[in-house]
Amino acid sequence: DAGVTQSPTHLIKTRGQQVTLRCSPISGHKSVSWYQQVLGQGPQFIFQYYEKEERGRGNFPDRFSARQFPNYSSELNVNALLLGDSALYLCASSLEGSGNTIYFGEGSWLTVV
Amino acid sequence: QKEVEQDPGPLSVPEGAIVSLNCTYSNSAFQYFMWYRQYSRKGPELLMYTYSSGNKEDGRFTAQVDKSSKYISLFIRDSQPSDSATYLCAMKRGGADGLTFGKGTHLIIQP
Repeated sequence: DAGVTQSPTHLIKTRGQQVTLRCSPISGHKSVSWYQQVLGQGPQFIFQYYEKEERGRGNFPDRFSARQFPNYSSELNVNALLLGDSALYLCASSLEGSGNTIYFGEGSWLTVV
Repeated sequence: QKEVEQDPGPLSVPEGAIVSLNCTYSNSAFQYFMWYRQYSRKGPELLMYTYSSGNKEDGRFTAQVDKSSKYISLFIRDSQPSDSATYLCAMKRGGADGLTFGKGTHLIIQP
């Protein structure tokens, strides 16, 4: 079975631009979460979505937004990109909103220049 | 003080040794504890999941949680060069709470 899949794998954007990252959860999983991992640090929680509703939010500015679709896939949007947004963006899925067995995808590498 | 503290290493041990990796935390509300392995430029891979205090064993891996001391450990027996990676501890309170990670420990197994 396919794991968590993310696209694109790598991308380069210019400061001030907007980016959309995509995620498909493991088949049967209804909850998707997004994390940001800066080089040398552990991942930081951005959002959790379950049944198309935001169920949790980390300490990130409003430039970050996300949504979940009826097929449980998800998009993360980041507006007005800053150099500091350069990071690995990880999507994770779990069976339910309170699921504690959480599986990660390979991530999308974003470089802002 | 960060909520989860983890020594970044690097930790270098010879092949076949027992490896001990540790994290401490400050938030007593954490109930669920995980260990992830992350190879360079890859996503984290779930190794172990433990609820509350106690031990859990899976093959060469043993996870221990001591909630009274706010201390968790991962032991790797018969370490192999393929175990060389960054090991991340993670924990959460429950419900829709996101995971809180340590910085990760870079482990090197010398052949």
